[in-house]
Amino acid sequence: NAGVTQTPKFRVLKTGQSMTLLCAQDMNHEYMYWYRQDPGMGLRLIHYSVGEGTTAKGEVPDGYNVSRLKKQNFLLGLESAAPSQTSVYFCASSEAGSYETQYFGPGTRLLVL
Amino acid sequence: AQRVTQPEKLLSVFKGAPVELKCNYSYSGSPELFWYVQYSRQRLQLLLRHISRESIKGFTADLNKGETSFHLKKPFAQEEDSAMYYCALTVNRDNYGQNFVFGPGTRLSVLP
Repeated sequence: NAGVTQTPKFRVLKTGQSMTLLCAQDMNHEYMYWYRQDPGMGLRLIHYSVGEGTTAKGEVPDGYNVSRLKKQNFLLGLESAAPSQTSVYFCASSEAGSYETQYFGPGTRLLVL
Repeated sequence: AQRVTQPEKLLSVFKGAPVELKCNYSYSGSPELFWYVQYSRQRLQLLLRHISRESIKGFTADLNKGETSFHLKKPFAQEEDSAMYYCALTVNRDNYGQNFVFGPGTRLSVLP
């Protein structure tokens, strides 16, 4: 099993450009999450999903959109990238229910110029 | 609002010395706490969780509700313990699953 994979690994964008980050998991997990990691701030939840076709806002959702059309995929979109969105983005998945272990992807490093 | 604090950005200890990584939280509900670890060039992964009351790689953590703390401890640090450690708290979203609040992390450096 590949676990949680993220595409791409690294990307450079210009301000105003758009892009989509793809997260895929092969563990049949119900829950999926998108985080951003910034120095000194740990991981902050952007959006999450508790099942196919459902999404919810996390702590820092502004400037991002997500979709969960298939259970195994969770897409994070930036419609108009800003330098403040320069970060490392992590996807995670977990089984349904409270207090389940999260399994993380390797991360995507995004630089917005 | 829910919050997790880790007061030390960097903690350096010598091999064989005891180590304690501090974590404090604020949450009005019944907390469930975790420690996640990220070794160099590896993914973030679960180290241990409160509900399991387990010891992983010699690490233990006790939930102290009075002090709202969940400090991570190991009696004898090893060089391979050098990593970034994150304390995390789960927050129940009414009828909509739960999500995590992570602390800012502490980088542990175990010196030879």
